[in-house]
Amino acid sequence: GAGVSQTPSNKVTEKGKYVELRCDPISGHTALYWYRQSLGQGPEFLIYFQGTGAADDSGLPNDRFFAVRPEGSVSTLKIQRTERGDSAVYLCASSRGGTGYNEQFFGPGTRLTVL
Amino acid sequence: GENVEQHPSTLSVQEGDSAVIKCTYSDSASNYFPWYKQELGKGPQLIIDIRSNVGEKKDQRIAVTLNKTAKHFSLHITETQPEDSAVYFCAASPTGANSKLTFGKGITLSVRP
Repeated sequence: GAGVSQTPSNKVTEKGKYVELRCDPISGHTALYWYRQSLGQGPEFLIYFQGTGAADDSGLPNDRFFAVRPEGSVSTLKIQRTERGDSAVYLCASSRGGTGYNEQFFGPGTRLTVL
Repeated sequence: GENVEQHPSTLSVQEGDSAVIKCTYSDSASNYFPWYKQELGKGPQLIIDIRSNVGEKKDQRIAVTLNKTAKHFSLHITETQPEDSAVYFCAASPTGANSKLTFGKGITLSVRP
């Protein structure tokens, strides 16, 4: 079946602009995660959704970052007043949710470049 | 919070040799340890994982060992092939997979043909 998909694959914007990044999880996966990966680093956690609600948003760096998942499937990561330091690959992952240990499946990421 | 460190940062081996990648973690509450492989321009792909109730797990040429007392775990790849060349990340989670993963910085593995 289809994996996690993310759009756009690349986004170039200017400092101060607003951007939206979209994630389509694997069908039936109730848990969804956003991570950010800077060059030469491992992914860093941003936010985790279980269903429609944000169960853990402790990784969001500041209030310019916001994410939603209104119907418990597709999620959008929103960044206001972008800064050059926001440039990174934004990864989305999903898992089956529920009890037990469920693998997180990652999408290909959106490469965000802030000029 | 959790801190995961990987050593070394780069590793080069001859095709057919074994490769070992080591990670340490700091939070004794961590109990789920996945390994991911990331190829250029792609997202990380899970290759193997281990829970804290086992010390070793094997899947064909790949194995992972866990030492909870020392807080370290290792990835072992035998009979390496050029297609094993990639960046490998270890990660840890304190409450299972339905929680945030803390990743190491990654290691670039190069397999020389």
